[in-house]
Amino acid sequence: DAGITQSPRHKVTETGTPVTLRCHQTENHRYMYWYRQDPGHGLRLIHYSYGVKDTDKGEVSDGYSVSRSKTEDFLLTLESATSSQTSVYFCAISQTLRQDLPLSEAFFGQGTRLTVV
Amino acid sequence: GENVEQHPSTLSVQEGDSAVIKCTYSDSASNYFPWYKQELGKRPQLIIDIRSNVGEKKDQRIAVTLNKTAKHFSLHITETQPEDSAVYFCAASLNTGTASKLTFGTGTRLQVTL
Repeated sequence: DAGITQSPRHKVTETGTPVTLRCHQTENHRYMYWYRQDPGHGLRLIHYSYGVKDTDKGEVSDGYSVSRSKTEDFLLTLESATSSQTSVYFCAISQTLRQDLPLSEAFFGQGTRLTVV
Repeated sequence: GENVEQHPSTLSVQEGDSAVIKCTYSDSASNYFPWYKQELGKRPQLIIDIRSNVGEKKDQRIAVTLNKTAKHFSLHITETQPEDSAVYFCAASLNTGTASKLTFGTGTRLQVTL
């Protein structure tokens, strides 16, 4: 398995509290992604990063922020958690050999199950 | 941005039959199309992928076809087995040079019955 770990694996938090999820990789891959997975919606992109301090929004970014201060770490923060953010969160990493080439295989972390009560 | 549609949402086949899952994408600039399998409680894992310069790729019992003109691609599983039961996701990647997003379909739950 690729070297990608998420922490925590499970978390229960109260509405209105801040929450930070961490994704750590040892593969030195350029691209990192945060997805949420909900029944009937598949995997929806929240935010992604294409380098240190280079991030962009995905399709469901409202209520989430990210930071990438080092190649190996990508943090997802819920500033004020809501019940609608109860979900399973997956981090993924990917790489390209050259700027003009397509992505290589994306590897996923084990997932974080977040429950907001 | 890219939009990926996937059908059907559920598929039930008998062991030994074939299964076909279809996806369409919206952005003609997308150039990488992977398929992922996710077993219950596990992370998605790549089973096969295809790049835009290839029309078909096969790996044992699984194959993927790509029609760039129509902007659709399909996963074919032959001689299905109970261990093929899982959720399958298609995806499309749009590479802008500095940033590459991977957009997923909504998934197909495949059940292989004995």
